[in-house]
Amino acid sequence: DAGVTQSPTHLIKTRGQHVTLRCSPISGHKSVSWYQQVLGQGPQFIFQYYEKEERGRGNFPDRFSARQFPNYSSELNVNALLLGDSALYLCASTVTYAENQPQHFGDGTRLSIL
Amino acid sequence: AQKVTQAQTEISVVEKEDVTLDCVYETRDTTYYLFWYKQPPSGELVFLIRRNSFDEQNEISGRYSWNFQKSTSSFNFTITASQVVDSAVYFCALSVAGAQKLVFGQGTRLTINP
Repeated sequence: DAGVTQSPTHLIKTRGQHVTLRCSPISGHKSVSWYQQVLGQGPQFIFQYYEKEERGRGNFPDRFSARQFPNYSSELNVNALLLGDSALYLCASTVTYAENQPQHFGDGTRLSIL
Repeated sequence: AQKVTQAQTEISVVEKEDVTLDCVYETRDTTYYLFWYKQPPSGELVFLIRRNSFDEQNEISGRYSWNFQKSTSSFNFTITASQVVDSAVYFCALSVAGAQKLVFGQGTRLTINP
């Protein structure tokens, strides 16, 4: 079975632009979470969606938004990009919404802001 | 609020040496879960182990072992007879009951030299 897949792999944008990152969870997984990992740091939680509803939100500005589709795939949108948004964006999935479940991560999308 | 501290930023050892990665956590919740993840250069976070707050039994899996001590709020990870393939960044993470989000430490970059 395929793991968590993310697209694109790499992306270069300029300040002020908008970006959409995509994630397909493991087949059968209904929960998707998004994390931002700045170089040299641990991942920071952005959003979690389960059954198409937002179940958690981290300490990120309103420029960040996300949604989950009926097929459980997800999009992360970032508006008005800033230099500080340069990071590796990781998507993770689990079967259900349960804090004891190991999250399965994709390879991430590396976003560079010029 | 929860917090995870990995005081060792980088560790470098020679192959076949034993190495221990330290993790200290903070939470007021009585039910919580601790995780270790490995991040190779490809970027994907690979799940290694999960421990819940009610199970202080240490675990061994091949060359890997984990020592969980609630009295010192620590969840340390030891690699015995290290190999070059163990080179990666290792993250300790915490989740609490009712919130699936993971709180990660800063990570420890482990380099195993031949």
